[in-house]
Amino acid sequence: QKEVEQDPGPLSVPEGAIVSLNCTYSNSAFQYFMWYRQYSRKGPELLMYTYSSGNKEDGRFTAQVDKSSKYISLFIRDSQPSDSATYLCAMSRNFNKFYFGSGTKLNVKP
Amino acid sequence: EAQVTQNPRYLITVTGKKLTVTCSQNMNHEYMSWYRQDPGLGLRQIYYSMNVEVTDKGDVPEGYKVSRKEKRNFPLILESPSPNQTSLYFCASSLSQGAGYEQYFGPGTRLTVT
Repeated sequence: QKEVEQDPGPLSVPEGAIVSLNCTYSNSAFQYFMWYRQYSRKGPELLMYTYSSGNKEDGRFTAQVDKSSKYISLFIRDSQPSDSATYLCAMSRNFNKFYFGSGTKLNVKP
Repeated sequence: EAQVTQNPRYLITVTGKKLTVTCSQNMNHEYMSWYRQDPGLGLRQIYYSMNVEVTDKGDVPEGYKVSRKEKRNFPLILESPSPNQTSLYFCASSLSQGAGYEQYFGPGTRLTVT
């Protein structure tokens, strides 16, 4: 069983839609949760970081962590064509080893 | 400009021919790591380094070697490459283990082993 599961998509939405991206994980020791965005032919870049359970909001982006269900989510409000990218969830127990999901490819149509 | 650089960006080689992919960062970061990215499997960690002379295995270390002799450099060595090491490789760095939530990734190296 993979440590982190993520639906690969692709997910296609119209501009302005609310997007929900999700990951599940199996290791209850994970306590640090991150979302990275990767544009085509580029390296990933950090989008959101959350420690333990709870919500975190940054502009149009909200990250949620539910440790009891081993489930994390990223919501994008008012999605824009520039949000079209692959979104990778990542998690770690203590910031030495990292486990990434396979990524969800998002396409926001104008 | 703060950045992580990798060389080469593209490499086609043959089975068994030793190769090194270089990684360098100019941000004085303590933590550095190597990942490979394969379709359907996502990013998988190969090796990481907490600081100079401190390295450890990630999730998929078999067939790879690393060294950290200087803070800025973290080369990835494939002593006898095989076709199953064909992949897109990323080097990443972060300020320290405590700031590990933000890794800065290089542009990637696409390796093909025939």
